[in-house]
Amino acid sequence: GAVVSQHPSWVICKSGTSVKIECRSLDFQATTMFWYRQFPKQSLMLMATSNEGSKATYEQGVEKDKFLINHASLTLSTLTVTSAHPEDSSFYICSARGTGGETEAFFGQGTRLTVV
Amino acid sequence: GQNIDQPTEMTATEGAIVQINCTYQTSGFNGLFWYQQHAGEAPTFLSYNVLDGLEEKGRFSSFLSRSKGYSYLLLKELQMKDSASYLCAVKDGDYKLSFGAGTTVTVRA
Repeated sequence: GAVVSQHPSWVICKSGTSVKIECRSLDFQATTMFWYRQFPKQSLMLMATSNEGSKATYEQGVEKDKFLINHASLTLSTLTVTSAHPEDSSFYICSARGTGGETEAFFGQGTRLTVV
Repeated sequence: GQNIDQPTEMTATEGAIVQINCTYQTSGFNGLFWYQQHAGEAPTFLSYNVLDGLEEKGRFSSFLSRSKGYSYLLLKELQMKDSASYLCAVKDGDYKLSFGAGTTVTVRA
């Protein structure tokens, strides 16, 4: 399958600071990337959908000014958690879909964010 | 919105068979995925069903009945490494995936 690389795999930050998470498709061009959040023992919740060169579409209840998403190229999308608070501590996972219309979305390794 | 239900936990013995059921009620349907997720890791793709019937892939099989809003994942010849969470996910027409809460499978020796 295709490879999606997410970085960093874990990060600890102080409350009030911002954290950027990168999601890269390594061997294919991703027209669409998805960002999920997963709390312990819960399922993945879609936060937003980003399409290359356009604004992200956020799910209901997700603050777009707090979770900034940029999809500037066909291989890179970034999620910035601004003014992070302890309640933002979670596992963030991206997935990407290629231009070939694959039915399967490929997931990155995930980023464990801890805000202290 | 989507409503996807699957059991919370299942336990089975090494070498046995386990069937994980998933029922869904969705406003649009364009396929159903099963993923495996080990603790602290991202999900890995197991299977995809868009038509009714059984898809077999090695020790794993997945079944879909669209009229019943029902799917199952069958794990055969269970191994210890199969202990993980199994996620049922439904794709809508815009390629958005909605996930069930996951079924934690524990394989015992």
